Amino acid sequence: GQQVKQSSPSLTVQEGGISILNCDYENDMFDYFAWYKKYPDNSPTLLISVRSNVDKREDGRLTVFLNKSGKHFSLHITASQPEDTAVYLCAAGGTGGNNKLTFGQGTVLSVIP
Amino acid sequence: GPKVLQIPSHQIIDMGQMVTLNCDPVSNHLYFYWYKQILGQQMEFLVNFYNGKVMEKSKLFKDQFSVERPDGSYFTLKIQPTALEDSAVYFCASSWDWGASQNTLYFGAGTRLSVL
Repeated sequence: GQQVKQSSPSLTVQEGGISILNCDYENDMFDYFAWYKKYPDNSPTLLISVRSNVDKREDGRLTVFLNKSGKHFSLHITASQPEDTAVYLCAAGGTGGNNKLTFGQGTVLSVIP
Repeated sequence: GPKVLQIPSHQIIDMGQMVTLNCDPVSNHLYFYWYKQILGQQMEFLVNFYNGKVMEKSKLFKDQFSVERPDGSYFTLKIQPTALEDSAVYFCASSWDWGASQNTLYFGAGTRLSVL
């Protein structure tokens, strides 16, 4: 089964609003959680990541929240802008200290002016 | 930022033929990866490679697949022979060191492989 799931295939947000992207995972051995951003025909690019020893990390307009007991993490984008429109991929990994990431299917975020 | 280049961006091949996908990783990186994304599905780990050896591979990494970095430059994924189910986008990635929580994976833009 899918070990990392993004239940919303798409999300539309008004410019200036908060975009909230969600990700659920199954493997409680994961200790690294990341969000990647991808434009069409471009490479996935790391936006922000956290390790399992923290439950929140902020970087500018981005905040990632980790809920280990609920096996859930989310990405909040404040003051959303049209250029935030892209596919957002969540990923988890780090079991056994390796670099194998398990990805979700992605959420298409559309920020409308 | 650091770039991983994949050449070509799209390759069309007849079933049963051999194909080699090329990846030019970030110059000082030591660890290399291939991921496969079938249309409409998530990216899935295929294999990682270090110091001339496969470190770990998934069940998707069939016997027909092989990887190498023969001259210290391109990291390649070879499929011989190809099958229809090999049609997908293949993403290459590289990192400087080992351990996801310490080391960012840099991805290429992918090569779309179409097997006819």
